[in-house]
Amino acid sequence: GNSVTQMEGPVTLSEEAFLTINCTYTATGYPSLFWYVQYPGEGLQLLLKATKADDKGSNKGFEATYRKETTSFHLEKGSVQVSDSAVYFCALTPYSSASKIIFGSGTRLSIRP
Amino acid sequence: DVKVTQSSRYLVKRTGEKVFLECVQDMDHENMFWYRQDPGLGLRLIYFSYDVKMKEKGDIPEGYSVSREKKERFSLILESASTNQTSMYLCASIAAGIFDNQETQYFGPGTRLLVL
Repeated sequence: GNSVTQMEGPVTLSEEAFLTINCTYTATGYPSLFWYVQYPGEGLQLLLKATKADDKGSNKGFEATYRKETTSFHLEKGSVQVSDSAVYFCALTPYSSASKIIFGSGTRLSIRP
Repeated sequence: DVKVTQSSRYLVKRTGEKVFLECVQDMDHENMFWYRQDPGLGLRLIYFSYDVKMKEKGDIPEGYSVSREKKERFSLILESASTNQTSMYLCASIAAGIFDNQETQYFGPGTRLLVL
C-alpha cells in the first residue's frame, strides 16, 4: 500500500542552522510528493511539491528533491529562521488519485533565536 | 486566493450531543475533504465529496456523517459525540478532478473540538 514515513520530532535548532527533515515513501506507480506546513493556530498550507522523479520543489528557501531510487523527498533549508517554527508534513498522492492524499505524521520544528 | 473557512475555531460539546462542523470554500472546487488531526497520527481522512450530494468514506468514517447540499459547503456531522472524537478537524478542497494527482489541497484553519 501507500505510506509516508517522516522523522519524528520535535526538532529544535538554533537560528541560521541547516535543516533536514527526512521523508521516505512507499507507493506504486508515480506519486506526486508534497511538503505542507502548519504554523501555530492555522491550517495546513502547501510549502512545495514535485510531481515526477528528479524534480526539485522549492519555496521560501526550502527545497526537496524527488528521489525515486531511494523513495525519498527530504526537506532542506540552508539557514532557518525563528519564523520557520511550525509542523511540517510530508505527503503523497498516488498516481491518478488526488483524493487519496496520504500524510506523514508530521515533524514539529522549533527554532531558537 | 483560495479561501477555505470553517465555522468555528473552538467548540466544546458534551457526550451524546449532535455536532455540526461547517466548511465553505469560495473557489468553485469540486472536491472537498474532512480530516482529523491527532498528535503522532498526522492527518486521517474521514470523508470526502467529489460533487454535490456525493460522498465517499475515508479511512475513519465511523461515528461521522457528511452532507454536501451545495458545491461550496461541506458539513461534518457527529451524530452522538464521544470523548474519543476530541480532536482538531480540518477541511480541505481541491480544484482538479480526483484523477489528477498533481494539484494542491487547500486547507481551512481547523476546528478544535473538545467533547466532555
